[in-house]
Amino acid sequence: AQKVTQAQTEISVVEKEDVTLDCVYETRDTTYYLFWYKQPPSGELVFLIRRNSFDEQNEISGRYSWNFQKSTSSFNFTITASQVVDSAVYFCALSEEAGTALIFGKGTTLSVSS
Amino acid sequence: KAGVTQTPRYLIKTRGQQVTLSCSPISGHRSVSWYQQTPGQGLQFLFEYFSETQRNKGNFPGRFSGRQFSNSRSEMNVSTLELGDSALYLCASSTGQVGVYEQYFGPGTRLTVT
Repeated sequence: AQKVTQAQTEISVVEKEDVTLDCVYETRDTTYYLFWYKQPPSGELVFLIRRNSFDEQNEISGRYSWNFQKSTSSFNFTITASQVVDSAVYFCALSEEAGTALIFGKGTTLSVSS
Repeated sequence: KAGVTQTPRYLIKTRGQQVTLSCSPISGHRSVSWYQQTPGQGLQFLFEYFSETQRNKGNFPGRFSGRQFSNSRSEMNVSTLELGDSALYLCASSTGQVGVYEQYFGPGTRLTVT
């Protein structure tokens, strides 16, 4: 069965600190898709990144970076030099079928103080 | 391009009533998915519609139903409301095309059942 675990419930950091959000997933499929979404206080889920199971290349986009490791079934997300505007709930999600039925983790609440 | 819109944004209903929520996807998107978000269960997949057909369904009772119209707009209906149905209901749209997997979410409808 599919499962996504975000062990960190809440993280608090001070501005400019680096922070890594952990995500561990379980699936029996060889083809699957991993996502990170951000949910600010307004409530709308904002898409951040998608990774395919056959593409382990890590990515950096501005202050964001992602580390995908199939050997440990992990898809971690790092924010460099955090800012107050990064405060939100971050969700990791898994899909075994293209574009449908996202399975979400419980989310990690990130609080960045100035 | 306009984003995903959901109406109404807030709703208060009484136990035993029924409710209909509406979602208009991004122009050109043919897939609409619905999710329920509660503090206890987190984000859970309800169902997905593509070209007016239900393509995937989550593990929810038959009281939860949906449909999609020819213009890709979708409605979700919950009959015989229970207190546990109080939640944020999120709609997500995607192109539905093979190779395109990102889902874009609307602001949600917050349903309160009293």
